[in-house]
Amino acid sequence: AQSVTQLDSHVSVSEGTPVLLRCNYSSSYSPSLFWYVQHPNKGLQLLLKYTSAATLVKGINGFEAEFKKSETSFHLTKPSAHMSDAAEYFCVVCTTSGTYKYIFGTGTRLKVLA
Amino acid sequence: NAGVTQTPKFRILKIGQSMTLQCTQDMNHNYMYWYRQDPGMGLKLIYYSVGAGITDKGEVPNGYNVSRSTTEDFPLRLELAAPSQTSVYFCASTKAGFTEAFFGQGTRLTVV
Repeated sequence: AQSVTQLDSHVSVSEGTPVLLRCNYSSSYSPSLFWYVQHPNKGLQLLLKYTSAATLVKGINGFEAEFKKSETSFHLTKPSAHMSDAAEYFCVVCTTSGTYKYIFGTGTRLKVLA
Repeated sequence: NAGVTQTPKFRILKIGQSMTLQCTQDMNHNYMYWYRQDPGMGLKLIYYSVGAGITDKGEVPNGYNVSRSTTEDFPLRLELAAPSQTSVYFCASTKAGFTEAFFGQGTRLTVV
């Protein structure tokens, strides 16, 4: 079965410092992976997606993620955090066990300190 | 282009009451999903549909029912509300196959 594990439930960074949110996946074949962001009391917005093209994926708002098959990882990074980045971030894998289903990690809450 | 629209945004139910959460999408997507979000648990799949007339259970279907009579609409029914169903519910849709899933704004349901 496919799954994702987000290694940190909470991450705190200072404004202007790098962000690293970690995600490991489990899949028997090449997965499709996504990062979504959820701002407080809002819906979910797609940050970026990996679908077996380039392993380094660029998303919105300066975020990017690198697919590393050898490490089964898809970590999300940003060079410089902004206060507006404070939100919850979800790593998601799309499965194809008969149909397409989106399996969510448990989320990482990012706090940005002034 | 409205995307995925959920109604209502908020609702308080008494134990044993029933209600229907509405979800409609205007993107002609085949796949539609219902998730619930509980603190620290991410989103759990309740039911999904691969097209009109076809639905199937997800990870946490107990206490819920769905129907898909049209491509656009995918309502979620709670028959006998229980406190354990207090949650935020999200509807999503996607065209097919590893593409971006679009989410509604959510319905915050409290069962008291």
